[in-house]
Amino acid sequence: DQQVKQNSPSLSVQEGRISILNCDYTNSMFDYFLWYKKYPAEGPTFLISISSIKDKNEDGRFTVFLNKSAKHLSLHIVPSQPGDSAVYFCAASAPQYSGGGADGLTFGKGTHLIIQP
Amino acid sequence: NAGVMQNPRHLVRRRGQEARLRCSPMKGHSHVYWYRQLPEEGLKFMVYLQKENIIDESGMPKERFSAEFPKEGPSILRIQQVVRGDSAAYFCASSPGQGMETQYFGPGTRLLVL
Repeated sequence: DQQVKQNSPSLSVQEGRISILNCDYTNSMFDYFLWYKKYPAEGPTFLISISSIKDKNEDGRFTVFLNKSAKHLSLHIVPSQPGDSAVYFCAASAPQYSGGGADGLTFGKGTHLIIQP
Repeated sequence: NAGVMQNPRHLVRRRGQEARLRCSPMKGHSHVYWYRQLPEEGLKFMVYLQKENIIDESGMPKERFSAEFPKEGPSILRIQQVVRGDSAAYFCASSPGQGMETQYFGPGTRLLVL
């Protein structure tokens, strides 16, 4: 029962173009969503987050869009740079004691983004 | 401004031994979370602790695994009588409080059980 799904295990994008990473969720109790970037042998690094009261949050080259009715969010990176090559995890949390699940974050399986020169 | 610290970074154990993983949260953070990542998988929540309290351990295996976050010192994840299936990367995260707050992760401990 995967509550957060990243259906693309990998994505290849040319340098300078836009990278779009997608994430779907099933638990309607989720109210806070985060994107993390992870290099091999390192811990996840926080990138950007969005609460369910918003539909867009922007930080430099990174923008996260949330479509609550579709239970879908996406991360846009523009322009893509070689250093963006990493695994990107989508994560979600529900209010404490909401009955929506554990108090920790629920992660997707990740999308491996490869930026080609 | 040190981030989340975990040690050891790599740990090798033989079946039946005990593994102790340590996590020091970021300065000013009082909430600690442990996650496990199996190969080709996302991170799976294990346990959420505040100082001297386990708040949520719904992701912890029922046997052999325990966690603590004492008043003084780091949080400890303890795995007794390790088995090969415990081989994974274990990540600790911390946050200032609980709610819609970002969790910041440590570099992880890679446990290999021979």
